[in-house]
Amino acid sequence: GAVVSQHPSWVICKSGTSVKIECRSLDFQATTMFWYRQFPKQSLMLMATSNEGSKATYEQGVEKDKFLINHASLTLSTLTVTSAHPEDSSFYICSASPRDRGNNEQFFGPGTRLTVL
Amino acid sequence: QKEVEQDPGPLSVPEGAIVSLNCTYSNSAFQYFMWYRQYSRKGPELLMYTYSSGNKEDGRFTAQVDKSSKYISLFIRDSQPSDSATYLCAATTDSWGKLQFGAGTQVVVTP
Repeated sequence: GAVVSQHPSWVICKSGTSVKIECRSLDFQATTMFWYRQFPKQSLMLMATSNEGSKATYEQGVEKDKFLINHASLTLSTLTVTSAHPEDSSFYICSASPRDRGNNEQFFGPGTRLTVL
Repeated sequence: QKEVEQDPGPLSVPEGAIVSLNCTYSNSAFQYFMWYRQYSRKGPELLMYTYSSGNKEDGRFTAQVDKSSKYISLFIRDSQPSDSATYLCAATTDSWGKLQFGAGTQVVVTP
């Protein structure tokens, strides 16, 4: 149980294009989903917290107009990197907390590796 | 200063040895502590979850929390090559708080 999937697992795109990453909780409903990014040999940095049916809460320094988050249902959240640039190349990981459980019970997806040329 | 500090390693041990990992933290309000295992190019997997001080054991894994010294540890007994991964510690203040992650320690278990 508590499986989270991400799609795609990797993507290569040209600078200036937009990329959408999907995060799905497969066997539970998630009121809250989280988006992290991870640079090589570094820890996970929280980008934003997304709650179903409401606007995402972004961490300080994260551009909300660049990283668009939509949490349209209890099992799906999407992250769109708009006008991607090479510095956006990173490993993006989502996590989900089962409904009515605390945020510290997070189940992580397998991650999406984004490379912007 | 990061709220959770962790030596990035790498830490290399022979198969069968005990792996000892630790983190220190600065926020005395942290009450929940976790250890995650992350294989290369994969998402983290929750290994251990501890509330407040004390020990918790699960199979070959033992987690310890010492809130007086703000120190958390993970021990892996009878280590296997399949334990080779990056281990991240994390902490949060309450059930609804943000997780603060350490940098992760890369562990290599050699056959």
